[in-house]
Amino acid sequence: SQQGEEDPQALSIQEGENATMNCSYKTSINNLQWYRQNSGRGLVHLILIRSNEREKHSGRLRVTLDTSKKSSSLLITASRAADTASYFCATSQGAQKLVFGQGTRLTINP
Amino acid sequence: DTAVSQTPKYLVTQMGNDKSIKCEQNLGHDTMYWYKQDSKKFLKIMFSYNNKELIINETVPNRFSPKSPDKAHLNLHINSLELGDSAVYFCASSHNLGTGDSYEQYFGPGTRLTVT
Repeated sequence: SQQGEEDPQALSIQEGENATMNCSYKTSINNLQWYRQNSGRGLVHLILIRSNEREKHSGRLRVTLDTSKKSSSLLITASRAADTASYFCATSQGAQKLVFGQGTRLTINP
Repeated sequence: DTAVSQTPKYLVTQMGNDKSIKCEQNLGHDTMYWYKQDSKKFLKIMFSYNNKELIINETVPNRFSPKSPDKAHLNLHINSLELGDSAVYFCASSHNLGTGDSYEQYFGPGTRLTVT
C-alpha cells in the first residue's frame, strides 16, 4: 500500500516565490527522502532526513520532519524556472526499501 | 560516464511478446532496484537485488523475471506482455551499509514501455 502522500498534488507559483510541499506517511520510519523528477527523466535525490532529525537544509531547500504527526515538508526558497518538476517524498522503513508518494507537480511561472 | 544507464529508452511491442530491459550502474553500489511508474506517476518498487541476491520481490506477477549477472547489472525480462504492463520502468542503485535502512538511490533515465 502507498505510504507517503504529498500535498498539494499540483502547485503553480511565480518565479522568486517560495514553494512548500507536504508529505504524510502512516508507519514509523528510519528516514525520509525527497526526490525531484524532471519531465521524462529519472528521479534525482535531493535530501535525506533521519527520524531523529527535525530540520535539514541544503542550498535553497529546507526539509522538516515531525514524527509525532508523521509528516514532512519541503520548502524551496526563491524558486526558479528550473525548479519546475515533480517532487516525491519516500520513506524508509527498513528492509532496504523506499516507499514513494505520488508526488507534487510544481510549476514555476516566469 | 553515466552513473545508471538503461536500454532501451523506448520500447513499443504487442501483447503476448517477451521483452527485456537492461540496466547497468558504474557507481560500485551493492544494491539495485526495479521500479514501475504508472500513468499517474505512482512509483512502486518491484524488485531489489543485493550483490546478485534477490532481497525484495513485491508481489510482482511471475511473468516478470529479474536477472543479476553481477552486482553492476540488473536486467528485467517480461514474458507474455499485457496492456497493463505499459508504464515507465526505472532502474536504481544504492549503497548497502548493512543496516537494513535505505539510503540515497540513484535512478536511471527510465524505459517507457508501451504494449499495444
